[in-house]
Amino acid sequence: GAVVSQHPSWVICKSGTSVKIECRSLDFQATTMFWYRQFPKQSLMLMATSNEGSKATYEQGVEKDKFLINHASLTLSTLTVTSAHPEDSSFYICSASSEFNEQFFGPGTRLTVL
Amino acid sequence: AQSVSQHNHHVILSEAASLELGCNYSYGGTVNLFWYVQYPGQHLQLLLKYFSGDPLVKGIKGFEAEFIKSKFSFNLRKPSVQWSDTAEYFCAVMASGTYKYIFGTGTRLKVLA
Repeated sequence: GAVVSQHPSWVICKSGTSVKIECRSLDFQATTMFWYRQFPKQSLMLMATSNEGSKATYEQGVEKDKFLINHASLTLSTLTVTSAHPEDSSFYICSASSEFNEQFFGPGTRLTVL
Repeated sequence: AQSVSQHNHHVILSEAASLELGCNYSYGGTVNLFWYVQYPGQHLQLLLKYFSGDPLVKGIKGFEAEFIKSKFSFNLRKPSVQWSDTAEYFCAVMASGTYKYIFGTGTRLKVLA
C-alpha cells in the first residue's frame, strides 16, 4: 500500500515553455501533498505544501507564480513550471500524506530545460 | 528554525564492516524521525521510522536506529554492510502535527566489494 506515482518520469523542454508534472496517490487519499526539488548530489528541498481544495503554501524563496501547484482532489496534485529556464532543470519529487503523519514519496521527475 | 545535520557526507566501507551514520536535529518539541535510502537512479525508500515507544527502532534490510532524546540524535546503524547498501541515506525530522519534513543533507555511502 501507500504508492505514489509521478508522471512523467522525465521531460525535456525548450526554454520559455511550461511543463506540468502530475503526482498521484494510487491506493490512499492524500490530504496533504508536498513538492520537493533535489539538485544533483544534494538533499531534498521542500518547495510547497498543498492541501486538497486550498491554495498551496510555498516555502520562502520559492516563486509561487513560477511553480504553480494545484491539488484538485485527494489523489492528484500537479506542479506546473511556467516559462521554464535552464536553471529550473532539476529533479522534482512529490510526496503524499494522509492522517498517519508519514509521507510517501513518488519516484521523481527529471526536468531538463534546454 | 528547525534543522537536521548529517555530519558524515561521504562514507566508504568494506563489505562486512559496521556502519553508523549520525543524525542530529534541532527542535525542542515532539518529533517523528525517519531514515530514507535512495539507491542510484531510484526514488526514496523508507528504511525505518520512530514515532514513539522503544527508542531502538528496527527497519528493513538489517538497519536499526536509536533515538536519544537528550542528545537530539537518531543515528542509523547496521552491523555488517553489503555492497548493495551503496546508496545515499537521508535523515528526516517532522515536528509532530506539522506534516513537514526537514531533511538532512544526506550521506553518500559506498561499500567496496
